Amino acid sequence: QVTLRESGPALVKSTQTLTLTCSFSGFSLSGSGVSGMSLSWIRRSPGKALEWLARVDWDDDKYYRPSLKARVTIYKDTSRNQVVLTMTNVDPVDTGTYFCARSYFDSSSGWQSFDYWGQGIPVTVSS
Amino acid sequence: EIVLTQPPLSSPVTLGQPASIPCRSSETLLHNDGNTYLSWLQQRPGQSPRLLLYKISHRFSGVPDRFSGSGAGTAFTLKISRVEAEDVGIYYCAQATQFPWTFGQGTQVEL
Repeated sequence: QVTLRESGPALVKSTQTLTLTCSFSGFSLSGSGVSGMSLSWIRRSPGKALEWLARVDWDDDKYYRPSLKARVTIYKDTSRNQVVLTMTNVDPVDTGTYFCARSYFDSSSGWQSFDYWGQGIPVTVSS
Repeated sequence: EIVLTQPPLSSPVTLGQPASIPCRSSETLLHNDGNTYLSWLQQRPGQSPRLLLYKISHRFSGVPDRFSGSGAGTAFTLKISRVEAEDVGIYYCAQATQFPWTFGQGTQVEL
């Protein structure tokens, strides 16, 4: 059974660094040359659509939303089945619910994107 | 960045009747690997999003067959053949063809 769970602070002050952890079970963030798993961080801010932030793949390739690349870092700890997102210099506009979501890639069929999600963690950035 | 548009923002439905939710993309979602990475997600009240369909029309494990998807290029549709009460929620289209991956603003389905 695949499960994902986000953890981290509920409240962060402006200009501080936000660190969120996605702990998962039921799969491994590993792969071969023909298939593998990846994990993304996605957020929903009040009044806005879902926003993809970053992704880390089984081979440790990382991808970032261009507008946030200077402030966001994603990395995986395969031995602990965790993926961590750090966001520096947070602002009240970063307030929202943060989700981690899995995607699966197979070279014969391509991507099965966003197939499992965590329950989300609400984060408030105070000024 | 690819923009996904989902008009309308709200769609009233009737139990037992069909429903359609459109999604338009600002660019083609056909990837150079030949796949079209357009997914549909459902978010019920108080829950996290759930994958319904991927690659336009591939139903994810456990998704009822009353959900189907169609389209190509820049125009896509999610169809519910007979709406049930549990289908109330927000429906998002999402693309994974081009970075950054993006989502539509969502369509609220309400009885």
